[in-house]
Amino acid sequence: GAVVSQHPSRVICKSGTSVKIECRSLDFQATTMFWYRQFPKKSLMLMATSNEGSKATYEQGVEKDKFLINHASLTLSTLTVTSAHPEDSSFYICSAIGTAFRYEQYFGPGTRLTVT
Amino acid sequence: AQTVTQSQPEMSVQEAETVTLSCTYDTSESDYYLFWYKQPPSRQMILVIRQEAYKQQNATENRFSVNFQKAAKSFSLKISDSQLGDAAMYFCAYTYSGAGSYQLTFGKGTKLSVIP
Repeated sequence: GAVVSQHPSRVICKSGTSVKIECRSLDFQATTMFWYRQFPKKSLMLMATSNEGSKATYEQGVEKDKFLINHASLTLSTLTVTSAHPEDSSFYICSAIGTAFRYEQYFGPGTRLTVT
Repeated sequence: AQTVTQSQPEMSVQEAETVTLSCTYDTSESDYYLFWYKQPPSRQMILVIRQEAYKQQNATENRFSVNFQKAAKSFSLKISDSQLGDAAMYFCAYTYSGAGSYQLTFGKGTKLSVIP
């Protein structure tokens, strides 16, 4: 149980375009989802926290207009990188918390974004 | 602010031997949770072990065990009978009940190599 999927696993897009990453909880209802960014050989950096039906809370320094987060249902959150630039290239990971273990996050497999 | 410190950027262990990864944290909270996550080359974050601060007994999961020293704010991970598949980045993480949505604070990670 407690499986989180992400789609796509890899995406390449051209500079200036937008790309959407989906995060789904497959077998539980996710009251809260988190989006992280991870640079090579570095730890996870929290970008934002989203609760179903509410606006996401962004961490300091994260541009909310560039990284649009939507948590439309209890099983789906999306991250849209708008007007992508090469510096947005990174590994993006989502995680989710369910009602069973409110303090334990379940992680998706991540999405490798490359902006050319 | 809560911080998590992993002082060993890299560690190595001989196959079948035992290795201990260090983690210290700083908090003024009394009700919190600690985790060790493994991130293999696939980059999927895998929960290795969790510890509730209110529990005095150290958590154990098969070959993985922790030494939780609450007064010293120390949370080390011991891997016994190391296997090649244990090679990965290991992240220590902390969350607490007052963090709203149980946001995780991660350490910088320890890269573990297993020598055949």
